[in-house]
Amino acid sequence: SAVISQKPSRDICQRGTSLTIQCQVDSQVTMMFWYRQQPGQSLTLIATANQGSEATYESGFVIDKFPISRPNLTFSTLTVSNMSPEDSSIYLCSVWASGDYGYTFGSGTRLTVV
Amino acid sequence: GEDVEQSLFLSVREGDSSVINCTYTDSSSTYLYWYKQEPGAGLQLLTYIFSNMDMKQDQRLTVLLNKKDKHLSLRIADTQTGDSAIYFCAGRGSQGNLIFGKGTKLSVKP
Repeated sequence: SAVISQKPSRDICQRGTSLTIQCQVDSQVTMMFWYRQQPGQSLTLIATANQGSEATYESGFVIDKFPISRPNLTFSTLTVSNMSPEDSSIYLCSVWASGDYGYTFGSGTRLTVV
Repeated sequence: GEDVEQSLFLSVREGDSSVINCTYTDSSSTYLYWYKQEPGAGLQLLTYIFSNMDMKQDQRLTVLLNKKDKHLSLRIADTQTGDSAIYFCAGRGSQGNLIFGKGTKLSVKP
């Protein structure tokens, strides 16, 4: 299965600033997703990252707040813009590769906004 | 769309079996998954079951699927303290993503 490198692993940011999270996969994958896990909660899908086109966002998430890029089949970024303390969460990327049965997750980015 | 429910807490003694239960709504999910999350860590795929199977065994793990009742369970035999974690049941959503239950926190007492 694919191996994911997600960076940074954690960060403490000032409110009003932006943070870009990177997800690098060691092989080409069919699908890439970004999830948010709020403290003590389950995972919620933010968006599906589409190669070469705009991401597909879930209800409650908008491009201006969470811009996503996916320039190729192995790399994606998620930016958390104009951050507030409510954005403090773990953000995880996930991939599914053709031929795989399971979805692989990055180790997550633990974001604290102060 | 898919909705997944699971109990929030389970406490067992070391050496006992643990059974974590999950119910789902979308019977078209081809695969159903169990993930493990240890404190401060990402998600680790434990096992999955194909929708045309009733049972799958993998070492200490046994997954049972009751399609009629839309019920999935994960049994961990001989539970160890290292099994303490949050366990998520997940089904596949319409975007090809996973839809997760709220997670069951398993505590293993020595």
